[in-house]
Amino acid sequence: DGGITQSPKYLFRKEGQNVTLSCEQNLNHDAMYWYRQDPGQGLRLIYYSQIVNDFQKGDIAEGYSVSREKKESFPLTVTSAQKNPTAFYLCASSGKTGMVGELFFGEGSRLTVL
Amino acid sequence: AQSVTQPDIHITVSEGASLELRCNYSYGATPYLFWYVQSPGQGLQLLLKYFSGDTLVQGIKGFEAEFKRSQSSFNLRKPSVHWSDAAEYFCAVGADSSYKLIFGSGTRLLVRP
Repeated sequence: DGGITQSPKYLFRKEGQNVTLSCEQNLNHDAMYWYRQDPGQGLRLIYYSQIVNDFQKGDIAEGYSVSREKKESFPLTVTSAQKNPTAFYLCASSGKTGMVGELFFGEGSRLTVL
Repeated sequence: AQSVTQPDIHITVSEGASLELRCNYSYGATPYLFWYVQSPGQGLQLLLKYFSGDTLVQGIKGFEAEFKRSQSSFNLRKPSVHWSDAAEYFCAVGADSSYKLIFGSGTRLLVRP
């Protein structure tokens, strides 16, 4: 079945450590996104990529980094510079080009900083 | 700037009762509008979307939504709620020149037996 796979589902990190969240899709979608979700705040866009080897900052990119070396993969690194990294992280993809389209979401990764 | 407001943080309804979740948006042109549902600890699933045409759109799981331009609203409705509908619901609006969606803060639906 086609879809988006995020791993790990749960991750614990000590302060000062970088962690990388994996996102893989087999939908052949061009666009991929990372969102952060905190209680009562909805979803906030961290980074997005419309094509391989290109990505743009979203609304809350500070303390995060991404890469897009393959169409299928869009990993997110939460760096030690992110002051409050404990959150639920959602990866999404979209097949539409040049217009707004439906987003397909993974099941999320919950990061907890100890 | 675009924005989306979901004025109800929580809503509780009895099983079998009707449901309406409110969504108001601020956008200069014709918006692209979406409703997503999220079960606890899961990703979001698209319920329905409005791009153009008929202002009453049907979605999955018996949900529908009506686009009212004069009220800048896109409220979600279901005539009879099931216990499995308990989840968080997000309204989102899209720009016409980018991929980005703006999400509302969500409405958590609780269903009484």
